[in-house]
Amino acid sequence: EPEVTQTPSHQVTQMGQEVILRCVPISNHLYFYWYRQILGQKVEFLVSFYNNEISEKSEIFDDQFSVERPDGSNFTLKIRSTKLEDSAMYFCASGTGFYEQYFGPGTRLTVT
Amino acid sequence: GEDVEQSLFLSVREGDSSVINCTYTDSSSTYLYWYKQEPGAGLQLLTYIFSNMDMKQDQRLTVLLNKKDKHLSLRIADTQTGDSAIYFCAERGNYGQNFVFGPGTRLSVLP
Repeated sequence: EPEVTQTPSHQVTQMGQEVILRCVPISNHLYFYWYRQILGQKVEFLVSFYNNEISEKSEIFDDQFSVERPDGSNFTLKIRSTKLEDSAMYFCASGTGFYEQYFGPGTRLTVT
Repeated sequence: GEDVEQSLFLSVREGDSSVINCTYTDSSSTYLYWYKQEPGAGLQLLTYIFSNMDMKQDQRLTVLLNKKDKHLSLRIADTQTGDSAIYFCAERGNYGQNFVFGPGTRLSVLP
């Protein structure tokens, strides 16, 4: 059964550094999403992406975040200058339509 | 804004039924979802229900939706130790593409 994959599973970075989190969505999916879950807190929406552009973003998704689909298979989340409060589990999701989202296993980002 | 709430913990004995409850505030919710998260794993879509339905059954899982009270429940029949996980309720409204998640209910299945 096809699934969303994410790499790396765990990323440790120093405050102020740039990180890129990678996702490979399910191959025939057209809608892509990033969410995050700070430890002990709710899963929060960051951004949705369709037709090579951002279709919706939350107030968390400020100028330090960006997303890209550099080729036909990858979907990336870049954080330009990481802060301690960016430490969280980041989930990628994809779907064929608005009503379904299949999630990857997540990347745990630790900012020190 | 939209909000989804769940009780945080539930313990049941193996073989019993589990009922996990969820309430939401967005009356325009069109789809409501249950996801399962096992330790160290991602969010696994278990089932979803469209807002014009009041019940959906899928093997051991039964979803009940009371749209008037904005209440969603997930019943797991014959709960097994492998069902121990965190269960997230989520809703999607009419206009936004994002899902709004509840805090998750940690289900512990006791032998």
